[in-house]
Amino acid sequence: DAKTTQPTSMDCAEGRAANLPCNHSTISGNEYVYWYRQIHSQGPQYIIHGLKNNETNEMASLIITEDRKSSTLILPHATLRDTAVYYCIVRAYTGTASKLTFGTGTRLQVTL
Amino acid sequence: DAGVTQSPTHLIKTRGQQVTLRCSPKSGHDTVSWYQQALGQGPQFIFQYYEEEERQRGNFPDRFSGHQFPNYSSELNVNALLLGDSALYLCASSPRRVTPYGYTFGSGTRLTVV
Repeated sequence: DAKTTQPTSMDCAEGRAANLPCNHSTISGNEYVYWYRQIHSQGPQYIIHGLKNNETNEMASLIITEDRKSSTLILPHATLRDTAVYYCIVRAYTGTASKLTFGTGTRLQVTL
Repeated sequence: DAGVTQSPTHLIKTRGQQVTLRCSPKSGHDTVSWYQQALGQGPQFIFQYYEEEERQRGNFPDRFSGHQFPNYSSELNVNALLLGDSALYLCASSPRRVTPYGYTFGSGTRLTVV
């Protein structure tokens, strides 16, 4: 799995967009970018994933640069419930269950 | 539909003791993975079970062992506990043929070794 680099922490005002960056300069052509988040005292929760196109679902948007060396997770209207640690993971999708390699993630604090 | 259930939620053990943690996977899931999460760190993969056999293993010593039962539930056993084994232990279940969003994590067991 390619290594990822994320800022240790970020702050965001409630109602504003939260933009969480991730660098993955050694990503391979068959590796996807996944985002999970972990709210305090809970297990990680899947948010979104992408290969090279930008993706959007009900939780967030994922913007991947054209060279695929970095990406940004966007929470369009952050709420206090979005306060969590966000993990960017890069790995090949094999279709069968395999390990997820987590880094230390970005601690997002959403404030009033 | 219940998600992943782990028990107990909290546990305190003494150095040198042995501990068993339990996990019931989400309905319809047949593959179980265990992760260790030290304070301030991301989860680290311990091992994965499918069809009652260990299929993948992370960089953990043999003191960490597991088991999967015919009903897909799983146990994590840790022998000769060290202070450094204090952590949140997470169980994740999925179907064997998994989609990228197919992993479901439990809320974990907080193990404290004193």
